[in-house]
Amino acid sequence: EAGVAQSPRYKIIEKRQSVAFWCNPISGHATLYWYQQILGQGPKLLIQFQNNGVVDDSQLPKDRFSAERLKGVDSTLKIQPAKLEDSAVYLCASSLPFEQYFGPGTRLTVT
Amino acid sequence: AQSVTQLDSQVPVFEEAPVELRCNYSSSVSVYLFWYVQYPNQGLQLLLKYLSGSTLVKGINGFEAEFNKSQTSFHLRKPSVHISDTAEYFCAVSPNTDKLIFGTGTRLQVFP
Repeated sequence: EAGVAQSPRYKIIEKRQSVAFWCNPISGHATLYWYQQILGQGPKLLIQFQNNGVVDDSQLPKDRFSAERLKGVDSTLKIQPAKLEDSAVYLCASSLPFEQYFGPGTRLTVT
Repeated sequence: AQSVTQLDSQVPVFEEAPVELRCNYSSSVSVYLFWYVQYPNQGLQLLLKYLSGSTLVKGINGFEAEFNKSQTSFHLRKPSVHISDTAEYFCAVSPNTDKLIFGTGTRLQVFP
């Protein structure tokens, strides 16, 4: 069974630039999550999708972050414009009840 | 609201020694409990989970954890660690079937 795919794996941008991350979940998983993991901290949920609808985006900084899930499958997370404090690993996960499967993450460095 | 405290940011241990990684949680409702492992430059992988039933839960790679409701703890243990167990370990709680709240992680460093 293929796992959760994410791209790119690494990205370096300057502050105020834009960036987008892509996630392809495990086939058949209806729920998809984006997490932000800052160095030295645990993952923090940014947004949760159920199929192509948003379930929880309460911790998403909506002035600069946006996310969509296309046809209930792939998802993109965008940051525009980026700030220095956005430097982190962005993890995508998809799930069955009681078990989330994580992708390898995208390491973003904002300079 | 739920929260998770992992008191030890780093745990150094020699190979073949036992190890315990501590996790305490706070919640006003019943929760489900999880341990995840993160190897360098990889995503998180589920080690084990407590949903209900026996308070001693066995997971992959020889790890086990014990749920203690009175002490609101879910400590992770392994009787004999290997070099390959070197990784970051995250405890997490969930009030439902899907939402996870993570602790800050414990870095397990196994020395030869």
